[in-house]
Amino acid sequence: EPEVTQTPSHQVTQMGQEVILRCVPISNHLYFYWYRQILGQKVEFLVSFYNNEISEKSEIFDDQFSVERPDGSNFTLKIRSTKLEDSAMYFCASREDREHHEAFFGQGTRLTVV
Amino acid sequence: DAKTTQPTSMDCAEGRAANLPCNHSTISGNEYVYWYRQIHSQGPQYIIHGLKNNETNEMASLIITEDRKSSTLILPHATLRDTAVYYCIVRFPWAQGGSEKLVFGKGTKLTVNP
Repeated sequence: EPEVTQTPSHQVTQMGQEVILRCVPISNHLYFYWYRQILGQKVEFLVSFYNNEISEKSEIFDDQFSVERPDGSNFTLKIRSTKLEDSAMYFCASREDREHHEAFFGQGTRLTVV
Repeated sequence: DAKTTQPTSMDCAEGRAANLPCNHSTISGNEYVYWYRQIHSQGPQYIIHGLKNNETNEMASLIITEDRKSSTLILPHATLRDTAVYYCIVRFPWAQGGSEKLVFGKGTKLTVNP
Protein backbone atom coordinates (compact mmCIF):
# COMPACT_ATOMS: atom_id res chain seq x y z
CA GLU A 1 0.00 0.00 0.00
CA PRO A 2 1.36 3.44 -0.88
CA GLU A 3 2.52 5.52 2.05
CA VAL A 4 3.94 8.89 2.96
CA THR A 5 7.61 8.57 3.87
CA GLN A 6 9.47 10.97 6.13
CA THR A 7 13.17 11.26 6.79
CA PRO A 8 14.93 11.35 9.14
CA SER A 9 12.90 9.70 11.87
CA HIS A 10 14.77 11.70 14.49
CA GLN A 11 16.85 14.85 14.11
CA VAL A 12 18.79 16.64 16.79
CA THR A 13 19.93 20.16 16.05
CA GLN A 14 21.46 23.05 17.94
CA MET A 15 19.43 26.15 18.60
CA GLY A 16 19.87 28.67 15.82
CA GLN A 17 20.72 26.08 13.19
CA GLU A 18 18.74 25.51 10.03
CA VAL A 19 16.99 22.19 9.63
CA ILE A 20 15.26 20.59 6.66
CA LEU A 21 12.67 17.89 7.17
CA ARG A 22 11.95 15.71 4.17
CA CYS A 23 8.84 13.96 2.98
CA VAL A 24 7.94 11.84 -0.01
CA PRO A 25 4.17 12.06 -0.45
CA ILE A 26 2.14 9.37 -2.19
CA SER A 27 3.01 9.62 -5.86
CA ASN A 28 -0.28 10.65 -7.46
CA HIS A 29 -1.31 13.02 -4.69
CA LEU A 30 -1.75 16.71 -5.36
CA TYR A 31 -2.14 18.30 -1.92
CA PHE A 32 0.57 18.34 0.70
CA TYR A 33 0.65 19.31 4.35
CA TRP A 34 2.84 19.75 7.36
CA TYR A 35 1.57 19.34 10.91
CA ARG A 36 3.40 19.32 14.20
CA GLN A 37 2.76 17.89 17.63
CA ILE A 38 4.60 19.15 20.66
CA LEU A 39 5.00 16.39 23.23
CA GLY A 40 1.75 15.83 25.09
CA GLN A 41 -0.18 18.37 23.04
CA LYS A 42 -2.57 18.37 20.11
CA VAL A 43 -1.66 17.83 16.48
CA GLU A 44 -1.46 21.31 14.92
CA PHE A 45 -1.72 22.34 11.30
CA LEU A 46 1.21 24.29 9.89
CA VAL A 47 0.77 24.65 6.15
CA SER A 48 -0.87 23.26 3.04
CA PHE A 49 0.64 23.27 -0.44
CA TYR A 50 -1.01 22.82 -3.80
CA ASN A 51 0.01 23.57 -7.36
CA ASN A 52 3.45 24.69 -6.23
CA GLU A 53 2.28 27.28 -3.79
CA ILE A 54 1.10 27.62 -0.23
CA SER A 55 -2.69 27.41 -0.11
CA GLU A 56 -3.18 27.92 3.60
CA LYS A 57 -0.97 28.44 6.64
CA SER A 58 -1.41 28.79 10.35
CA GLU A 59 -0.15 31.47 12.70
CA ILE A 60 2.62 29.08 13.72
CA PHE A 61 4.01 29.11 10.20
CA ASP A 62 5.94 32.35 10.43
CA ASP A 63 8.91 33.66 8.45
CA GLN A 64 11.19 31.07 10.03
CA PHE A 65 9.37 28.33 8.16
CA SER A 66 9.30 27.57 4.47
CA VAL A 67 8.16 24.70 2.29
CA GLU A 68 9.30 23.53 -1.07
CA ARG A 69 8.63 20.84 -3.60
CA PRO A 70 12.03 20.80 -5.26
CA ASP A 71 11.25 17.98 -7.65
CA GLY A 72 8.37 15.70 -8.54
CA SER A 73 8.58 13.59 -5.44
CA ASN A 74 9.95 15.43 -2.40
CA PHE A 75 8.23 17.92 -0.16
CA THR A 76 10.37 19.69 2.42
CA LEU A 77 9.88 21.84 5.50
CA LYS A 78 12.73 24.18 6.37
CA ILE A 79 13.13 25.91 9.70
CA ARG A 80 15.71 28.65 9.27
CA SER A 81 16.85 29.30 12.81
CA THR A 82 15.55 26.70 15.19
CA LYS A 83 14.36 27.56 18.67
CA LEU A 84 13.94 25.28 21.66
CA GLU A 85 10.17 25.52 21.26
CA ASP A 86 10.40 24.04 17.77
CA SER A 87 11.08 20.67 19.36
CA ALA A 88 8.16 18.49 18.28
CA MET A 89 7.04 15.66 16.04
CA TYR A 90 6.54 16.94 12.52
CA PHE A 91 4.10 15.08 10.32
CA CYS A 92 3.83 15.32 6.58
CA ALA A 93 0.53 14.43 4.93
CA SER A 94 -0.82 14.21 1.42
CA ARG A 95 -4.19 14.02 -0.23
CA GLU A 96 -5.02 12.67 -3.63
CA ASP A 97 -7.28 15.30 -5.11
CA ARG A 98 -10.18 17.64 -4.44
CA GLU A 99 -12.73 14.85 -4.29
CA HIS A 100 -11.08 12.46 -1.86
CA HIS A 101 -11.82 12.79 1.84
CA GLU A 102 -8.79 11.11 3.32
CA ALA A 103 -5.46 12.62 4.23
CA PHE A 104 -2.56 10.21 4.59
CA PHE A 105 0.07 10.97 7.19
CA GLY A 106 3.67 9.93 7.45
CA GLN A 107 5.21 8.45 10.57
CA GLY A 108 6.77 11.73 11.53
CA THR A 109 10.17 13.25 12.24
CA ARG A 110 11.01 13.91 15.84
CA LEU A 111 12.92 17.20 15.98
CA THR A 112 14.88 17.93 19.11
CA VAL A 113 16.44 21.36 19.44
CA VAL A 114 19.16 21.58 22.08
CA ASP B 1 -15.94 23.79 11.61
CA ALA B 2 -18.34 22.56 14.25
CA LYS B 3 -17.04 21.92 17.74
CA THR B 4 -16.88 18.31 18.95
CA THR B 5 -16.92 16.80 22.41
CA GLN B 6 -15.41 13.39 23.17
CA PRO B 7 -14.73 11.54 26.40
CA THR B 8 -11.14 11.85 27.53
CA SER B 9 -10.60 8.12 27.85
CA MET B 10 -12.28 4.75 27.48
CA ASP B 11 -11.40 1.14 28.11
CA CYS B 12 -12.44 -1.91 26.16
CA ALA B 13 -11.77 -5.63 26.49
CA GLU B 14 -9.96 -7.31 23.64
CA GLY B 15 -12.39 -8.97 21.24
CA ARG B 16 -15.30 -6.83 22.33
CA ALA B 17 -16.80 -3.94 20.41
CA ALA B 18 -15.43 -0.49 21.19
CA ASN B 19 -18.03 2.27 20.89
CA LEU B 20 -16.56 5.74 20.84
CA PRO B 21 -19.05 8.62 21.10
CA CYS B 22 -18.76 12.12 19.73
CA ASN B 23 -21.09 15.04 20.27
CA HIS B 24 -21.34 17.70 17.58
CA SER B 25 -24.57 19.56 18.33
CA THR B 26 -23.66 22.59 16.21
CA ILE B 27 -23.01 20.61 13.04
CA SER B 28 -24.33 22.29 9.93
CA GLY B 29 -26.10 20.65 7.04
CA ASN B 30 -23.15 20.04 4.78
CA GLU B 31 -20.51 19.24 7.35
CA TYR B 32 -19.16 15.71 7.44
CA VAL B 33 -18.03 13.67 10.41
CA TYR B 34 -14.48 12.30 10.13
CA TRP B 35 -12.61 9.93 12.38
CA TYR B 36 -8.85 9.61 12.62
CA ARG B 37 -6.71 7.82 15.14
CA GLN B 38 -3.15 8.18 16.36
CA ILE B 39 -1.32 5.17 17.66
CA HIS B 40 1.38 6.15 20.15
CA SER B 41 2.80 9.29 18.49
CA GLN B 42 2.68 7.84 15.01
CA GLY B 43 1.06 9.93 12.29
CA PRO B 44 -2.73 10.21 12.41
CA GLN B 45 -4.55 7.57 10.41
CA TYR B 46 -7.84 8.12 8.60
CA ILE B 47 -10.56 5.69 9.66
CA ILE B 48 -13.91 6.64 8.19
CA HIS B 49 -16.21 9.54 7.37
CA GLY B 50 -19.92 10.13 6.87
CA LEU B 51 -22.57 12.75 6.26
CA LYS B 52 -25.86 11.32 7.49
CA ASN B 53 -26.05 7.65 6.62
CA ASN B 54 -24.32 4.97 8.60
CA GLU B 55 -21.05 3.93 7.04
CA THR B 56 -18.91 0.82 7.30
CA ASN B 57 -15.50 -0.06 5.98
CA GLU B 58 -12.87 -2.65 6.77
CA MET B 59 -11.75 -0.76 9.85
CA ALA B 60 -14.89 0.46 11.54
CA SER B 61 -18.53 1.52 11.41
CA LEU B 62 -19.84 5.02 11.86
CA ILE B 63 -23.32 5.56 13.24
CA ILE B 64 -24.71 9.09 12.94
CA THR B 65 -27.91 9.98 14.75
CA GLU B 66 -30.86 11.15 12.71
CA ASP B 67 -30.52 14.75 13.94
CA ARG B 68 -26.76 14.50 13.23
CA LYS B 69 -25.89 15.99 16.58
CA SER B 70 -23.86 13.00 17.65
CA SER B 71 -22.14 9.96 16.24
CA THR B 72 -20.47 6.76 17.37
CA LEU B 73 -17.43 5.06 15.95
CA ILE B 74 -17.61 1.30 16.38
CA LEU B 75 -14.63 -1.00 16.26
CA PRO B 76 -16.46 -4.33 16.11
CA HIS B 77 -13.76 -6.60 17.56
CA ALA B 78 -11.14 -4.48 19.25
CA THR B 79 -7.56 -5.76 19.37
CA LEU B 80 -4.60 -4.56 21.40
CA ARG B 81 -3.36 -2.77 18.28
CA ASP B 82 -6.45 -0.57 18.37
CA THR B 83 -5.14 1.15 21.51
CA ALA B 84 -4.83 4.75 20.31
CA VAL B 85 -6.21 8.27 20.57
CA TYR B 86 -9.33 8.60 18.42
CA TYR B 87 -10.24 11.97 16.98
CA CYS B 88 -13.69 13.02 15.82
CA ILE B 89 -13.53 15.96 13.41
CA VAL B 90 -16.50 17.77 11.91
CA ARG B 91 -15.82 19.89 8.86
CA PHE B 92 -16.82 20.80 5.37
CA PRO B 93 -15.21 18.43 2.88
CA TRP B 94 -12.42 19.68 0.70
CA ALA B 95 -14.59 19.11 -2.36
CA GLN B 96 -16.96 21.75 -0.99
CA GLY B 97 -14.25 24.28 -0.34
CA GLY B 98 -13.57 23.30 3.25
CA SER B 99 -10.47 24.69 4.93
CA GLU B 100 -7.27 22.86 4.11
CA LYS B 101 -6.45 22.24 7.73
CA LEU B 102 -7.69 19.37 9.84
CA VAL B 103 -8.32 20.56 13.38
CA PHE B 104 -7.45 17.87 15.91
CA GLY B 105 -8.86 18.13 19.42
CA LYS B 106 -7.71 16.08 22.37
CA GLY B 107 -9.63 13.00 21.24
CA THR B 108 -10.48 9.88 23.22
CA LYS B 109 -7.67 7.71 24.51
CA LEU B 110 -8.92 4.16 23.94
CA THR B 111 -7.14 1.42 25.83
CA VAL B 112 -7.86 -2.13 24.76
CA ASN B 113 -7.13 -4.53 27.59
CA PRO B 114 -6.24 -8.23 27.23
